[in-house]
Amino acid sequence: DIQMTQSPSSLSASVGDRVTITCRASQNIGSYLNWYQQQPGKAPELLIYTASSLQSGAPSRFGGGGSGTNFTLTISSLQLEDFATYYCQQSYSTPLSFGGGTKVEIK
Amino acid sequence: QVQLQESGPGLVKPSETLSLTCTVSGDSISGGNYYWSWIRQPPGKGLEWIGYIYYTGSTNYNPSLKSRVTMSVDTSKNQFSLKLRSVSAADTAEYYCALTGLHWYFALWGRGTLVTVSS
Repeated sequence: DIQMTQSPSSLSASVGDRVTITCRASQNIGSYLNWYQQQPGKAPELLIYTASSLQSGAPSRFGGGGSGTNFTLTISSLQLEDFATYYCQQSYSTPLSFGGGTKVEIK
Repeated sequence: QVQLQESGPGLVKPSETLSLTCTVSGDSISGGNYYWSWIRQPPGKGLEWIGYIYYTGSTNYNPSLKSRVTMSVDTSKNQFSLKLRSVSAADTAEYYCALTGLHWYFALWGRGTLVTVSS
């Protein structure tokens, strides 16, 4: 099974900050990496698929990068509505698996 | 637009079977363009993929739950279902159904339903 590790597990940032979250896979997964945002009390929503493709309707300030085992999610200018928990997920092989999440909090 | 809605009991007794249904509106399960997944999230914790089903009835389960899980699809009702047998407190979670792209990303989620396992 492929293990996904996110870092940091939480971070504090201010509106307007550039934020980067890292996700590492336990083996090479090519570009089969997806990112989700989960607001408190709500279902997760897809932000980025196949490492760098922006989901329709997701704001352009979200960007994904990386390949192989190391991936990043970058928020270019943090907005109030971006304070949430972010999860990565590998779609290279089953069982499909998620990272532990990164909670982005207001500084 | 496509919407998914989970339904089922919010309370299940230990050792019994958890049964949930996901109703899809706005698209046909039989279209063949997607898989249909179940994912769960224990309170305050991360996400766990339970498995998916295709409209043909073909399934793929997480090995960690495979011995207790059965998924089924009813194309006439545009629904798919989850059964989890022999539940314990560890199965208490928010359960989500999700439209799953053919490259296995979860493109659209239901709102979720909280299932508590307790006597």
